[in-house]
Amino acid sequence: SYVLTQPPSVSVAPGQTARITCGGNNIGSKSVHWYQQKLGQAPVLVIYYDTDRPSGIPERFSGSNSENTASLTISRVEAGDEADYYCQVWDIHTDHYVFGTGTRVSVL
Amino acid sequence: EVQLVQSGAEVKKPGESLKISCKASGYSFTDYWIGWVRQMPGKGLEWMGSIYPGDSETKYSPSFQGQVTTSSAKSISTAYLQWSSLKASDTAMYYCAISSYDSSGQGGFDIWGQGTMVTVSS
Repeated sequence: SYVLTQPPSVSVAPGQTARITCGGNNIGSKSVHWYQQKLGQAPVLVIYYDTDRPSGIPERFSGSNSENTASLTISRVEAGDEADYYCQVWDIHTDHYVFGTGTRVSVL
Repeated sequence: EVQLVQSGAEVKKPGESLKISCKASGYSFTDYWIGWVRQMPGKGLEWMGSIYPGDSETKYSPSFQGQVTTSSAKSISTAYLQWSSLKASDTAMYYCAISSYDSSGQGGFDIWGQGTMVTVSS
């Protein structure tokens, strides 16, 4: 089955840039979605189709996807960005969704 | 407003059956896939399966195939997730979710229910 690997944690100072990676075999050929989940809340979609932002999501959130790595970048990090982040793809070969392992972003 | 409202928390014993619900509103219920996502305590998100209420087509993750069943009732715009015999390892938060901008069933989930906590304990 298709596996998506994320770093367990990323720490970043306020105002700096956080980059969260999502590794998968030839993930560049798939569409990647990203979620933010704060403690005790349902996930929120922050990026879909690699680079698109839903309405209401700040421009500070951006995505990219190439070859074997997709990335979510959070610019000018704020305390409120502290959360778990998950990547997700639809695997057309198995007709299944797959979630990444998740990354906890801590704001120092 | 597109909304998914899930049924309340459940406490069950091992071996018992359970059916939780997800009531949709604000969109055409039969035109969009509804997905189910499990989150065990302190763990990550796992896609369990999805249903297309228009024709009741279902897809399941191999990890959940045969362990749960998803169904829907078009007349009341409600999707269900059910277990025939619960185990302690089924203790988790369960979410329903849809991609309201992509009817193909492959988009990211932009609308989520509030979650249903299921606790299975003797």
